[in-house]
Amino acid sequence: GDSVTQMEGPVTLSEEAFLTINCTYTATGYPSLFWYVQYPGEGLQLLLKATKADDKGSNKGFEATYRKETTSFHLEKGSVQVSDSAVYFCALRDTGFQKLVFGTGTRLLVSP
Amino acid sequence: NAGVMQNPRHLVRRRGQEARLRCSPMKGHSHVYWYRQLPEEGLKFMVYLQKENIIDESGMPKERFSAEFPKEGPSILRIQQVVRGDSAAYFCASSGTVDNSYEQYFGPGTRLTVT
Repeated sequence: GDSVTQMEGPVTLSEEAFLTINCTYTATGYPSLFWYVQYPGEGLQLLLKATKADDKGSNKGFEATYRKETTSFHLEKGSVQVSDSAVYFCALRDTGFQKLVFGTGTRLLVSP
Repeated sequence: NAGVMQNPRHLVRRRGQEARLRCSPMKGHSHVYWYRQLPEEGLKFMVYLQKENIIDESGMPKERFSAEFPKEGPSILRIQQVVRGDSAAYFCASSGTVDNSYEQYFGPGTRLTVT
C-alpha cells in the first residue's frame, strides 16, 4: 500500500541555519504531495503542496519539489526562525482516493 | 469564515465508558475525514464521510468504533467501551467545493484520555 517515510527527529538547529527534512514516498498511482505543520497543542496546518512531477510548492520561505524519479518531496528553508519550531508531516493523497497518508512526523527545534 | 470545529477539546473517560467526539466542518464543506494520532506517531486515516454516507471506512477498527455525518448537525465519531489503547488525539478534517481543490482543512483535535 501507499506509504510515506520521513527522517527521524528531532532536528535541532540554530536560528538562521538551513533546514532540510527528507521525505520519500511509495504510491501506486500519481499522488499529490503535501507538507503539514503542527504547533504544540494544535491541529495540522497545510504548509505547501505539489500535485504533479517537477512542481515546486512554496510558502513562508519553505519549499519542496515533487521528484518522481527519486519519489521524494524534501522540505527546505534557507533560514529558520525560532517560530518555526514545530512538528512537520509529509503526506500523500493517491489518485482516486481522498484519504491522506502521513509520515511519522519530524520535530524541529530552533534555538536563538 | 470559521474553520473546522471540534468538541470537546479534551475528554476523559474511564475504561468501559462511551466517548462521543463531534466535528463541525467548514461552511460549505460536505466531506469529513477522521484521523487518529497516537502519541509520538503520525496521523492514521480512520474514515471518510459525506452527508449521510460513509465513503471509505478502511481505517476504522472493526469493533467499538462508528462514525456518522447526518444531514443536519455535526459529524460524530463514537467509541464504545473505551480501553486505554484508545487514548489518542482525534482530528477531523473537511473538504468541499469551496475552492474546488478538495484540500483538507484540519480542526484542533480532541484529546481523549482513558483512565
